[in-house]
Amino acid sequence: EDKVVQSPLSLVVHEGDTVTLNCSYEVTNFRSLLWYKQEKKAPTFLFMLTSSGIEKKSGRLSSILDKKELFSILNITATQTGDSAIYLCAVEAGGANNLFFGTGTRLTVIP
Amino acid sequence: DTGVSQDPRHKITKRGQNVTFRCDPISEHNRLYWYRQTLGQGPEFLTYFQNEAQLEKSRLLSDRFSAERPKGSFSTLEIQRTEQGDSAMYLCASSLGPMNTEAFFGQGTRLTVV
Repeated sequence: EDKVVQSPLSLVVHEGDTVTLNCSYEVTNFRSLLWYKQEKKAPTFLFMLTSSGIEKKSGRLSSILDKKELFSILNITATQTGDSAIYLCAVEAGGANNLFFGTGTRLTVIP
Repeated sequence: DTGVSQDPRHKITKRGQNVTFRCDPISEHNRLYWYRQTLGQGPEFLTYFQNEAQLEKSRLLSDRFSAERPKGSFSTLEIQRTEQGDSAMYLCASSLGPMNTEAFFGQGTRLTVV
């Protein structure tokens, strides 16, 4: 059964801290891994990763994929209160035209 | 076009009633997905349309659930004889190509069955 596991489930940090969120997966015929940020309702797209070892970066956020060890990390540097959200990892695999989501990591950034 | 829109945003219904949700995708997107998200969980796939054709349905989609996309534009998700376990956020997403291209989610419809 395809599985996506995120850790930690929740995290509380102070503004300015750097955080690392983890996503591991066990799927058949991996195609891509995506990170989403979910604040109130709709998940919003952050990154899509398909190749190992190539870092994707957007401002203070960056992500990398390790297809050998079957995991990805999402880094956020110099965190701000606006980074408080649930961060979802999703994997597209096999012939399925859908994404398998993890349970998410709830990040809270305290001023 | 400001993105994927869903209606209603909230729905409270009594157990046993039927409910219908609507999703309007981004206009040029030919793929439309329905997901369900319960508290503390990531979204779970329900079904997927390419244009008007429903190409995939999850085992989660019992026979009380039906989805349509009659003209390949908006979609409806109907739940018949609602149960308390149906209480969840129902998310719609659309994309121009496969899901791993940038798919956009709607704000969701929160269903509460009392």
